[in-house]
Amino acid sequence: KAGVTQTPRYLIKTRGQQVTLSCSPISGHRSVSWYQQTPGQGLQFLFEYFSETQRNKGNFPGRFSGRQFSNSRSEMNVSTLELGDSALYLCASSLNGEAFFGQGTRLTVV
Amino acid sequence: DQQVKQNSPSLSVQEGRISILNCDYTNSMFDYFLWYKKYPAEGPTFLISISSIKDKNEDGRFTVFLNKSAKHLSLHIVPSQPGDSAVYFCAATLKTSYDKVIFGPGTSLSVIP
Repeated sequence: KAGVTQTPRYLIKTRGQQVTLSCSPISGHRSVSWYQQTPGQGLQFLFEYFSETQRNKGNFPGRFSGRQFSNSRSEMNVSTLELGDSALYLCASSLNGEAFFGQGTRLTVV
Repeated sequence: DQQVKQNSPSLSVQEGRISILNCDYTNSMFDYFLWYKKYPAEGPTFLISISSIKDKNEDGRFTVFLNKSAKHLSLHIVPSQPGDSAVYFCAATLKTSYDKVIFGPGTSLSVIP
């Protein structure tokens, strides 16, 4: 069974640009959550999607948005990038109380 | 409001000694708890879990203890090894939604040789 797949693995963008990250969950998992990890900040919850609906949202500005498709694949978009958005972005799919993470996308904003 | 808390951002332990990572939660509805381990540049991986009907679960060097009355759980690693150096995340799920897993901010463990 394939794990959670995130693309791309690495990304470099300049300030002001926008970026779209992709996450393919484990087959059969309908819940997809996104997290931001920065040094010293731990896992910061961005949002969670379930059956194409945003079910929960963390405390991030509106520049951070996401969506989920009918096949449960999810995308996360960040507009007007800032230097502070540089982080590892992790996606997790969940089923029956256990979350499985992808390897993440390392975003660097210069 | 953070529902899962890990109040120690970092912890250093000598090799061979016991590592104790703590986690507190606020929502009494949580009924399943998990610990994840994360190495740099990798996604977190599942380590060990415990159901709210138990107070202890053991897997090799890793033991998780749950104190429901105190809404507290802890992960014990005995003996600690340098390869255990990683960030450890505590997580919990709600009875009403087993698809939703809520994570704590993590504790960075350094095991010193």
